[in-house]
Amino acid sequence: DVKVTQSSRYLVKRTGEKVFLECVQDMDHENMFWYRQDPGLGLRLIYFSYDVKMKEKGDIPEGYSVSREKKERFSLILESASTNQTSMYLCASSFGDRGTDTQYFGPGTRLTVL
Amino acid sequence: GIQVEQSPPDLILQEGANSTLRCNFSDSVNNLQWFHQNPWGQLINLFYIPSGTKQNGRLSATTVATERYSLLYISSSQTTDSGVYFCAVEPAGGYNKLIFGAGTRLAVHP
Repeated sequence: DVKVTQSSRYLVKRTGEKVFLECVQDMDHENMFWYRQDPGLGLRLIYFSYDVKMKEKGDIPEGYSVSREKKERFSLILESASTNQTSMYLCASSFGDRGTDTQYFGPGTRLTVL
Repeated sequence: GIQVEQSPPDLILQEGANSTLRCNFSDSVNNLQWFHQNPWGQLINLFYIPSGTKQNGRLSATTVATERYSLLYISSSQTTDSGVYFCAVEPAGGYNKLIFGAGTRLAVHP
């Protein structure tokens, strides 16, 4: 079974803090993704990566950055957290040269910024 | 950009009932996927269905790409079917990323 894990299920941070969300997949997938989920908006793509050290902006990259130093690990960084970044963050991975092949999701991190 | 609309936004069923969830999209797509998010937040891929019909147990899905819609059928619903169902599409033209609808929240009561 594909396993995608995320570093925390729940996280509470203060405005201005630097926040790291980590995602690890164990199936040697090329593609990894970070989404945020907000009520009534579905999932929106923040950043994705097709290979180590490669990243591409999704639909809502502002206020976020990412890092992919190893194939299995994809980190989402909030340089200076703000209250409007309170959300559920979901990581996903997929195999193959198409980012839209079947995506496997982690359990999510619910981030609250106070 | 492409719009993905799901209906109904909320659905309440008694256990054993059948239901149909709909996904409309505003432009041509390369593929379409259905996902289920359980009450604990875990998202699972149900179907990869750019066109045609697929079945998996009590669930089936049909996509009519020329008319820009997809349907997810749930038969003999169970309480474990509760959660949010998302439709996601990849727009034609090589964007190579998924656009999600807002979801249908389903509650199945015993």
